[in-house]
Amino acid sequence: QQQVKQSPQSLIVQKGGISIINCAYENTAFDYFPWYQQFPGKGPALLIAIRPDVSEKKEGRFTISFNKSAKQFSLHIMDSQPGDSATYFCAASLQGGSEKLVFGKGMKLTVNP
Amino acid sequence: NAGVMQNPRHLVRRRGQEARLRCSPMKGHSHVYWYRQLPEEGLKFMVYLQKENIIDESGMPKERFSAEFPKEGPSILRIQQVVRGDSAAYFCASSPKTGSSYEQYFGPGTRLTVT
Repeated sequence: QQQVKQSPQSLIVQKGGISIINCAYENTAFDYFPWYQQFPGKGPALLIAIRPDVSEKKEGRFTISFNKSAKQFSLHIMDSQPGDSATYFCAASLQGGSEKLVFGKGMKLTVNP
Repeated sequence: NAGVMQNPRHLVRRRGQEARLRCSPMKGHSHVYWYRQLPEEGLKFMVYLQKENIIDESGMPKERFSAEFPKEGPSILRIQQVVRGDSAAYFCASSPKTGSSYEQYFGPGTRLTVT
């Protein structure tokens, strides 16, 4: 019930391409879904987050799509750049409690020049 | 506004020693979370603290691990009698938890190596 499953585990795209990362969750009580970006040796940095009352949220080149009925959400990175090469984590939490984040295992993105 | 600060950034301990990891939240944040990251894995929740209170320690191992967030000073994660399996990156995150903002901001982490 507490798992968040992320796919694929790794992705290689060409500069300018679209990177898509998918996540699925089990606990229907989750109501906050952030995405984090992590570079080697650094801490995760919050990229963008969504709540289940909206189906899509866009910030710059990053878009979250949310499908409540399928219990899935995804991150799209448009016009991918070599500087986007990092590990991306999806997460979920239940607001109103401790709000602890349940993380997916991460996806390593490589953007080739 | 300085970000979340953690120290030390790297810590090497021999089996059986104690490890103390420190976390100073962002200014204005009074909620601290600790997470552990094993190689090639996602982050796992350990404990959630407010000033002088442990709110949720459901992710903490029952033995050897403890955490505190005193009225003054940083939050501390303490690991007694470390074993090789404790080798990991330990991250803390802070949150303002005001209004509709429940965002968690992470520090750079402490990488613990047990030899």
